Amino acid sequence: NAGVMQNPRHLVRRRGQEARLRCSPVKGHSHVYWYRQLPEEGLKFMVYLQKENIIDESGMPKERFSAEFPKEGPSILRIQQVVRGDSAAYFCASSPSRPPTYSGNTIYFGEGSWLTVV
Amino acid sequence: QKEVEQNSGPLSVPEGAIASLNCTYSDRGSQSFFWYRQYSGKSPELIMSIYSNGDKEDGRFTAQLNKASQYVSLLIRDSQPSDSATYLCAVPEGLDSSYKLIFGSGTRLLVRP
Repeated sequence: NAGVMQNPRHLVRRRGQEARLRCSPVKGHSHVYWYRQLPEEGLKFMVYLQKENIIDESGMPKERFSAEFPKEGPSILRIQQVVRGDSAAYFCASSPSRPPTYSGNTIYFGEGSWLTVV
Repeated sequence: QKEVEQNSGPLSVPEGAIASLNCTYSDRGSQSFFWYRQYSGKSPELIMSIYSNGDKEDGRFTAQLNKASQYVSLLIRDSQPSDSATYLCAVPEGLDSSYKLIFGSGTRLLVRP
């Protein structure tokens, strides 16, 4: 899947713990996107980041969730004080630039991180 | 709120048949449309994109777009058991937010050997 690397692939956390999901974009890509797929639901956009900047976080829950994409290293999606409703698959995607409109260019997803909260 | 609607299925077809997957969208101004395939426990994989009215063919896959009816479909010819997966239709939220894809809930396809 276009070389986007995510880890861990599977993560189990107890309620109240913190979850950190990491995403290494395709080499040379500076745009990263996080999506979440809740059980039996469709994929939903969470946040769009460029290096050191959050561009669009309109899909992020207002509390407990944060994301960063530092100058060096992977993008991190952090979920504090996890609850059972956070159990989902979290997918990261990257692109070299913002996908242009009126074209077939879009984003390509990594393998995902499956979070289970017990 | 823009919406993308798909029949959840499952759609069951025999091996070798044509599978027809349908998707409707609410925003008449939508310009680009994407079909992703997702196997159970795996990530979505882009298989087709289309942004002009009519048909677009790629191997056994054909995407059909009718903007007047706000309808996009995916045809899979000579269906194989390996095509059994969930197919997701996606539309960018807007011209300035092409990275923000609105996904349908997906149609589960079962191809019977």
